Formats: sequence, structure tokens, C-alpha cells
Amino acid sequence: ETGVTQTPRHLVMGMTNKKSLKCEQHLGHNAMYWYKQSAKKPLELMFVYSLEERVENNSVPSRFSPECPNSSHLFLHLHTLQPEDSALYLCASSQGTGGGYEQYFGPGTRLTVT
Amino acid sequence: AQTVTQSQPEMSVQEAETVTLSCTYDTSESDYYLFWYKQPPSRQMILVIRQEAYKQQNATENRFSVNFQKAAKSFSLKISDSQLGDAAMYFCAYRSNGGTSYGKLTFGQGTILTVHP
Repeated sequence: ETGVTQTPRHLVMGMTNKKSLKCEQHLGHNAMYWYKQSAKKPLELMFVYSLEERVENNSVPSRFSPECPNSSHLFLHLHTLQPEDSALYLCASSQGTGGGYEQYFGPGTRLTVT
Repeated sequence: AQTVTQSQPEMSVQEAETVTLSCTYDTSESDYYLFWYKQPPSRQMILVIRQEAYKQQNATENRFSVNFQKAAKSFSLKISDSQLGDAAMYFCAYRSNGGTSYGKLTFGQGTILTVHP
């Protein structure tokens, strides 16, 4: 595998379920990100991890819980979600968090909350 | 807070022709980067081109070039000799190079580009 991978690619869950999204980067990067892409809305940054430490939490509800066990893996734990949380969740990574570093995106997980 | 606006929800172009996608942004910062990302249907988002705000020269990458007007806060993307593979959603994005932004990308709403054979 190369680049940034995400699993699962599609997920349907009920509002009372608990599930996790997984992201893995094979690029040797030090920073990882979660973005939310909703229909007809710009991509929104959710979380930023730099060297496995969370450095940004963009006012995300507590029903979304990120975890970064090492610099290659990033998880997003989901519980008691709402239908409006249905979206494409994108993971990205970059060498650093400076402005010039390119962010490499994964293919996303399409989440549907029923 | 920074904002990015793409005023063209959809654009279309004939194959081999040229198309320009518009983007404006608002910021009080002087040190930042601007990006155009491409998101093909059901495929990963990839970087098309990057512009550093302190560079006056417009960035170019093969058939892709930008018109960066810093004073006007405008950052348009020109695609020359359009190809069928250029069909995608295009996002303009802003990224601060200082402070505590921690690499945050601020995206516009996106422009869907259709290429007609």
C-alpha cells in the first residue's frame, strides 16, 4: 500500500452504534488530519495531530473521539452520532504542519447515520 | 478568521479548450499559501498547484497555471488544453504559514468542472 489509506470505505451505522474509522499513512509523515466533507459545504478541519499529539480540535462534538497511537495511524471513534453527521470523512497527512507542506489525502470513508 | 469563496458552483469546457476557475479569499495575514486541489469522482483529492504569497511570480504546473492577485485577494486557476481526465471537483484552499494554525487548510465550496469531448 502506498500513500494514505482509509478503512472502511463505506459505513452505515445507527445512532446508538459505536464504530471506528481508520487511517494509515505510508509516507513517513509527522502530521495527520481528519476533515469532514458534507454535501454543499466546504471541507471542515476536525482534528490535527503532530508527532502523535493533538494540536487542534476545531470545536468538534465529543461524539467524535480521535486517537493517534503512532505517527502512521489515526483513528476516529464514533458514538451516538446524529443523521447530520452523515458525510465523507477524509484523512490527510503531511511532513509537518508548516504552511508549505503538502497534505496528502486518503480516499475517504462515506458515513451514513440512520 | 480566513474565508475562501468559489463563486462558480459548476463550469464546463470543451476538450482542448481553456477554462478559468475563480477563487477569492479574505485574510489579514501576509504570510500564507494558496492551493488548488482536484477531487475526481470517487477518487482521492490531489494537489494541483501551490502558490506562496510572498512570491509575485504566478505558479505553473504543465497545463495548470494561476493568476495570483495579492492586493485583490484573488487566486484563479487556468487549465489549458483541457482533457477528459481534468473533469473533477476543484477546491481552492488557504493555509497560514504562521501563528497557531497547525497546518489548517481552509477550503472553498468547490467548483465542478465538466469536460465535453
